[in-house]
Amino acid sequence: DTEVTQTPKHLVMGMTNKKSLKCEQHMGHRAMYWYKQKAKKPPELMFVYSYEKLSINESVPSRFSPECPNSSLLNLHLHALQPEDSALYLCASSQARVNEQFFGPGTRLTVL
Amino acid sequence: GQQVMQIPQYQHVQEGEDFTTYCNSSTTLSNIQWYKQRPGGHPVFLIQLVKSGEVKKQKRLTFQFGEAKKNSSLHITATQTTDVGTYFCAGPKQAGTALIFGKGTTLSVSS
Repeated sequence: DTEVTQTPKHLVMGMTNKKSLKCEQHMGHRAMYWYKQKAKKPPELMFVYSYEKLSINESVPSRFSPECPNSSLLNLHLHALQPEDSALYLCASSQARVNEQFFGPGTRLTVL
Repeated sequence: GQQVMQIPQYQHVQEGEDFTTYCNSSTTLSNIQWYKQRPGGHPVFLIQLVKSGEVKKQKRLTFQFGEAKKNSSLHITATQTTDVGTYFCAGPKQAGTALIFGKGTTLSVSS
C-alpha cells in the first residue's frame, strides 16, 4: 500500500468552529508532515513528526495543533481559524526526513 | 537562508515542443527531488538524484544533477497534453530536517 489518505476532502468552517483533519499511511514511514498550499504556490511546511514526536514546528500559529496518535496517523486540529487560513492542507510521509515524500490528496479548507 | 530557486515560473508550449525547467540551490545538496502536481491534484514524486553529474531518464523526461550538486534540470521531449502541471524541485535543508521546495514551474500545453 503506497497511499496516503486524508479526510475530509473538503471542509468549510466558521471562525469559531473546531475541526480536525486526518491523515493515514500504512507504508511504515517514520516521518510525517503537514503542509499548507495556497493557489499557484509551493507546499509550505508546517509541522514534521519523526518517530511520532514533533520535530519541527515552522512557527505555525497555535490555532493549528498537530497530533500523532501512532506511527500511521496524523491529525491537525483547527480552532479559531481566520479566512486567510483557507488553503489546501497536504499530509505527506517518508521513510526518513530527506527521502522521497508521498503526499495525500489534501483537504481543501475554506474558512468563512 | 538556504534557498531553492526555479525558472521559469510559467511556460506555455505547443504540443510536440520540448520543455525545460531549471532548479538552483544556494547550497550544495545531498540529493534533489522532482515532483509533479497536476491541476487540482497533489504533488507526486517523480525522481531523486543523488550523485554529482547524474542523469536519469523516464520515457520522455530527462533529469540532470549538476557537477557541483547545486543545480538540476528537468527536460521533457515532445510534450503532450498529459504533461500539463506544475513541476517542483526540492532539496534537503542543510540540517537534514526537511525538504525545501522551489516555487515550481507551471507548464501548459496546447494541442
